[in-house]
Amino acid sequence: GESVGLHLPTLSVQEGDNSIINCAYSNSASDYFIWYKQESGKGPQFIIDIRSNMDKRQGQRVTVLLNKTVKHLSLQIAATQPGDSAVYFCAETKNDYKLSFGAGTTVTVRA
Amino acid sequence: DAGVTQSPTHLIKTRGQQVTLRCSPISGHKSVSWYQQVLGQGPQFIFQYYEKEERGRGNFPDRFSARQFPNYSSELNVNALLLGDSALYLCASSLGSESKAFFGQGTRLTVV
Repeated sequence: GESVGLHLPTLSVQEGDNSIINCAYSNSASDYFIWYKQESGKGPQFIIDIRSNMDKRQGQRVTVLLNKTVKHLSLQIAATQPGDSAVYFCAETKNDYKLSFGAGTTVTVRA
Repeated sequence: DAGVTQSPTHLIKTRGQQVTLRCSPISGHKSVSWYQQVLGQGPQFIFQYYEKEERGRGNFPDRFSARQFPNYSSELNVNALLLGDSALYLCASSLGSESKAFFGQGTRLTVV
């Protein structure tokens, strides 16, 4: 069945360093991917999205890379800040209305 | 601009009771989706409504139902509550039925 998984459940990063969060997806028919950030006690916050006809998209301090050959998605955060500490989810869909989420990666930023 | 708003923020119910959760989408958004997030896991899709019609349903029992009103707000109803229904219930709105979704802060439901 469809599933979206993250390579590592936790990531510890030094403040100021770059972070890379990885995600593997299994449904080759998926055509739209979103990264969300969820802080404790809050709902998921949209970070960046990418469609399957692209392999890279950049936002403010974030970059999403999509490798359809190996069904891999990554989120890069430049100059990680304490406010970046949260759980990060990748979500995928093949019809744009039902999002399938992985279990998430907890990012902890060390001062 | 107001984001997605959900009410109540917290709720405690007893097994067997019924609960209604409410969601107001971002102004101009016509689609509302509901997700259940159990502690330590990613959100699981329950329903999507677009233009007041159900567009999709996840793998949840018939105890879960929802509707969307003419102003595009939505309610999620859960009957005959079980302990396992304890979770964070998230509402997401999007402009159309096929566009990026923005989430509310969720309703934390505890069933005792």
